[in-house]
Amino acid sequence: AQRVTQPEKLLSVFKGAPVELKCNYSYSGSPELFWYVQYSRQRLQLLLRHISRESIKGFTADLNKGETSFHLKKPFAQEEDSAMYYCALRLGAGNMLTFGGGTRLMVKP
Amino acid sequence: DSGVTQTPKHLITATGQRVTLRCSPRSGDLSVYWYQQSLDQGLQFLIQYYNGEERAKGNILERFSAQQFPDLHSELNLSSLELGDSALYFCASSVATGGQGYTFGSGTRLTVV
Repeated sequence: AQRVTQPEKLLSVFKGAPVELKCNYSYSGSPELFWYVQYSRQRLQLLLRHISRESIKGFTADLNKGETSFHLKKPFAQEEDSAMYYCALRLGAGNMLTFGGGTRLMVKP
Repeated sequence: DSGVTQTPKHLITATGQRVTLRCSPRSGDLSVYWYQQSLDQGLQFLIQYYNGEERAKGNILERFSAQQFPDLHSELNLSSLELGDSALYFCASSVATGGQGYTFGSGTRLTVV
């Protein structure tokens, strides 16, 4: 079965420091990967899709098929980045997303 | 406003009761997904509907059921409620293939007392 692992439940950094939120997945095919952000138990919002290779709010993520990873990175963290971040995997058209356990990012002033 | 509407926002009910959560998907989206978010279990996929038909089932208890109506809105029915059912219940919708990702609603916070 497909699985998404976010090894860190909590990541605490200072403002201006680099951030890397880890995500590993287990799937032998070609997955579609997403990052979602959730501020203060509000609704989840799509942050990134690996297909689009875009940068949102300074965040980027690169799919590494060799390491089966899709880590989320930002060079300089801001206090407003504090939130829960979920990595998600979709196996193909019409299929549901499988979410990792989430990482809470806390950016301290 | 994400376009996905969930009602009610908050619900407090007693053990053993039954509740219905409602979700209206974003205009044009045919797929509806229900997720349960609890503190210890994270985001758990419950069930997916596509254009009125059940498409996939996840970790959904037998006490829970759902349906999607011809106007594409969906309802999640939770019965014989237990304290452990207290959680945030999210609905999400997507276009047919879901390749754009999902759009989530704001959730219904269910508290069972």
